[in-house]
Amino acid sequence: NAGVMQNPRHLVRRRGQEARLRCSPMKGHSHVYWYRQLPEEGLKFMVYLQKENIIDESGMPKERFSAEFPKEGPSILRIQQVVRGDSAAYFCASSPFGQEFYEQYFGPGTRLTVT
Amino acid sequence: RKEVEQDPGPFNVPEGATVAFNCTYSNSASQSFFWYRQDCRKEPKLLMSVYSSGNEDGRFTAQLNRASQYISLLIRDSKLSDSATYLCVVNVNAGGTSYGKLTFGQGTILTVHP
Repeated sequence: NAGVMQNPRHLVRRRGQEARLRCSPMKGHSHVYWYRQLPEEGLKFMVYLQKENIIDESGMPKERFSAEFPKEGPSILRIQQVVRGDSAAYFCASSPFGQEFYEQYFGPGTRLTVT
Repeated sequence: RKEVEQDPGPFNVPEGATVAFNCTYSNSASQSFFWYRQDCRKEPKLLMSVYSSGNEDGRFTAQLNRASQYISLLIRDSKLSDSATYLCVVNVNAGGTSYGKLTFGQGTILTVHP
C-alpha cells in the first residue's frame, strides 16, 4: 500500500511566480491535510479538505494561497506570487476518516525555495 | 501561552539510557493525542497514539493526564536510531469542522550517542 505521495519534492521559484504542490493521499483515504514548516519552526496546520470540499481553512494565509481536492486527481496547494517568506517545507497528510482520533499519515513533503 | 509546549532539549543520552519527554497542552477541549518523530529534513512519522489509560509499544510508553493536561513519552534502552526530534501532537475538537486540525509542539531533540 503506497503511502502519501507528494511532488515535486523540491521546487525553486523566483519571487512573483506561482508554485503548485501536489499530494496524493494513501489508498482508501479521502481526507487530506496540508501543513507548513518554516525554517527552525514547528509544523502549522493550513487546510483540511475532503473530495471537492474545503472543510477547514483556518490556517491558510488570506491572500495568495488556495487549495483544492478535486473528484479525480491529487490535492493541489497553490501559492500565487510567491515571496521569500513562503520558503518552507509543505507537508501533506491523509486519514481514512475525518474524526479526531484517526491518525494522520504524512507524505515526504515539498521543499519550496523562493529566490 | 502556546497551545502545545515541549521542552526543546536537546537531550543527549548514551545508548541504553532511559529518557522521558514531557508535554503540556492548553486547550481542555483536546480530544486526541499523539507522539510523532521527525528525522532531520524528513516528514513526521507517527510513533504512537496516547490513551487515557496509558499505552506501551515495545520500548516506548506514553501517558496522558487529562486533569493536568500533560502528556509524557518514556523511551527505555535507547538506541542510536532513536535520535530524532519528538513531536507532541494534539487534536482539538472544538466543535464544528475543526476536528481535522493537528496542533504540534515545537519538538524535543534527542541525540543518543555510543
